[in-house]
Amino acid sequence: EDKVVQSPLSLVVHEGDTVTLNCSYEVTNFRSLLWYKQEKKAPTFLFMLTSSGIEKKSGRLSSILDKKELSSILNITATQTGDSAIYLCAVEVQGAQKLVFGQGTRLTINP
Amino acid sequence: NAGVTQTPKFQVLKTGQSMTLQCAQDMNHEYMSWYRQDPGMGLRLIHYSVGAGITDQGEVPNGYNVSRSTTEDFPLRLLSAAPSQTSVYFCASSYSPTGYNEQFFGPGTRLTVL
Repeated sequence: EDKVVQSPLSLVVHEGDTVTLNCSYEVTNFRSLLWYKQEKKAPTFLFMLTSSGIEKKSGRLSSILDKKELSSILNITATQTGDSAIYLCAVEVQGAQKLVFGQGTRLTINP
Repeated sequence: NAGVTQTPKFQVLKTGQSMTLQCAQDMNHEYMSWYRQDPGMGLRLIHYSVGAGITDQGEVPNGYNVSRSTTEDFPLRLLSAAPSQTSVYFCASSYSPTGYNEQFFGPGTRLTVL
């Protein structure tokens, strides 16, 4: 069974801290890994990773994939209260036409 | 573009009632899908469609039906609502006919079954 696991499930930090969110996966036929940010409503797309070792970056957020370790991390530097959200990791399974989501990490940034 | 729209935003049903959650997209996306989100469980795929007239089951299809008569619309029907179907439902779409790459999500429907 295809599985995606995120850790930690919940994280509370102070504004300005740097955080690292983890995602590991076990899927039959990996195609890509995606990160989403979910605030109050719909998830919004952050990154899609397909190749190992190549960092994707957007402002203070960055992510990298390690296909050998079957995992990915999402880093957020100089956190702000607006970064408070649930961060979802999903893996695209080739041939199965679906995304498998992890449980999500609830990140809370305190001022 | 309105993107992906869902109606209603909130719904309360009694056990045994049926209803349809509506989903529409105006991006001419071939792939559409329905997810449910429960606390601590991420998003789980209910049903998906790779084009008009083609649907298939996801991870948790029991108790739900779908159809895809047009590219734009992908309604989700609850046949006989049960308390276990209390959840937030998201519809999503993507351009690729095989369903790969970024999915765009609707705002969600919060359903409570009493």
